[in-house]
Amino acid sequence: GAGVSQSPSNKVTEKGKDVELRCDPISGHTALYWYRQSLGQGLEFLIYFQGNSAPDKSGLPSDRFSAERTGGSVSTLTIQRTQQEDSAVYLCASSYVAQETQYFGPGTRLLVL
Amino acid sequence: KQEVTQIPAALSVPEGENLVLNCSFTDSAIYNLQWFRQDPGKGLTSLLLIQSSQREQTSGRLNASLDKSSGRSTLYIAASQPGDSATYLCAVLSNDYKLSFGAGTTVTVRA
Repeated sequence: GAGVSQSPSNKVTEKGKDVELRCDPISGHTALYWYRQSLGQGLEFLIYFQGNSAPDKSGLPSDRFSAERTGGSVSTLTIQRTQQEDSAVYLCASSYVAQETQYFGPGTRLLVL
Repeated sequence: KQEVTQIPAALSVPEGENLVLNCSFTDSAIYNLQWFRQDPGKGLTSLLLIQSSQREQTSGRLNASLDKSSGRSTLYIAASQPGDSATYLCAVLSNDYKLSFGAGTTVTVRA
């Protein structure tokens, strides 16, 4: 069956612009996660959704970052007024329920010039 | 805050040798531990998941053990092949559903 998909696969933007990253989880998965992988920083948890609600937003790096999930399915991660330090690979994962195996998408590579 | 450490950072072995990858974590209050594989420029592929109540999981040539009380897990890969070359990541799911990752072990299997 289809895995987790993310779009765009690559995004180049100018400093100060807003970007939207999209994640389509595996059908039927109730939990959805966003992570960031930066050079030299490893994988960093950003936010977790159970259904449409995000019980914990503490991983978001700043108030320029926001995320939403609608209909218990697709999620969008928005970064406003992008900075060069936002350059990273943004990974999305989903699981059937929160305690189960997380399946990752291919990621969106964001480059802020 | 959960801290996950992987040793060694890199490993190079000739084909056919067994691989031993180590992972340690600081907070034993976990739901599960998961091992992933990441190929260059690609996403993560789940290899094995061990629930906190389990001691080990096996899949083919892969075996992972978990000692929750001491905060350790080991991934064994038997009879390594060049196709096993990748970065292997250990991650623990804490009770707040946050997955904390180690920095990874980069494995090179020489033909």
